[in-house]
Amino acid sequence: DADVTQTPRNRITKTGKRIMLECSQTKGHDRMYWYRQDPGLGLRLIYYSFDVKDINKGEISDGYSVSRQAQAKFSLSLESAIPNQTALYFCATSDRQRGVRTGELFFGEGSRLTVL
Amino acid sequence: QKEVEQDPGPLSVPEGAIVSLNCTYSNSAFQYFMWYRQYSRKGPELLMYTYSSGNKEDGRFTAQVDKSSKYISLFIRDSQPSDSATYLCAMSLSGAGSYQLTFGKGTKLSVIP
Repeated sequence: DADVTQTPRNRITKTGKRIMLECSQTKGHDRMYWYRQDPGLGLRLIYYSFDVKDINKGEISDGYSVSRQAQAKFSLSLESAIPNQTALYFCATSDRQRGVRTGELFFGEGSRLTVL
Repeated sequence: QKEVEQDPGPLSVPEGAIVSLNCTYSNSAFQYFMWYRQYSRKGPELLMYTYSSGNKEDGRFTAQVDKSSKYISLFIRDSQPSDSATYLCAMSLSGAGSYQLTFGKGTKLSVIP
């Protein structure tokens, strides 16, 4: 089983619908992140969380919200999806000590979201 | 000007070639430099990391950082078809900002047998 699991892997939805992307991890890391990847724009940070009670906005948080239900679970919600939120979304984790020194993030396999 | 610039390619080379991948950046406060590799339909995975300037070698891979020129490179020797992937450079600040990575757009590499 993957250390960082994202569900669903693919989702097609319509404008205005509420969508939740879920992430769970078995690595025991305290830090979790949500990124989106767009062709020509690269990876951009949406939200990050250092622990259950510490959630922070990233570079592009508008239109998104998150919930850290437990150390191992971090969900991303689109309250009212719009077409320009069509992208590949990645959840990632990092170790508090090693992550700072090495920049090592452990990514899930991605959730491809299409908003029509 | 974007903080991190990376030529998106695509780059196509024959098997056995030496590959050079590069990124430039504008923020002189970046201290940590990384290269991630992303296979098709997969998440990125860390390939190499360096702190500040200098070279680092790991098998067929060499990472170079030139902070005076704000330029980082990844060299792949004796390239293999299994090296075909998108390579993303990433960098971060020191101290409190070091958890937040700024990524390049990625260079797509194909190694032809």
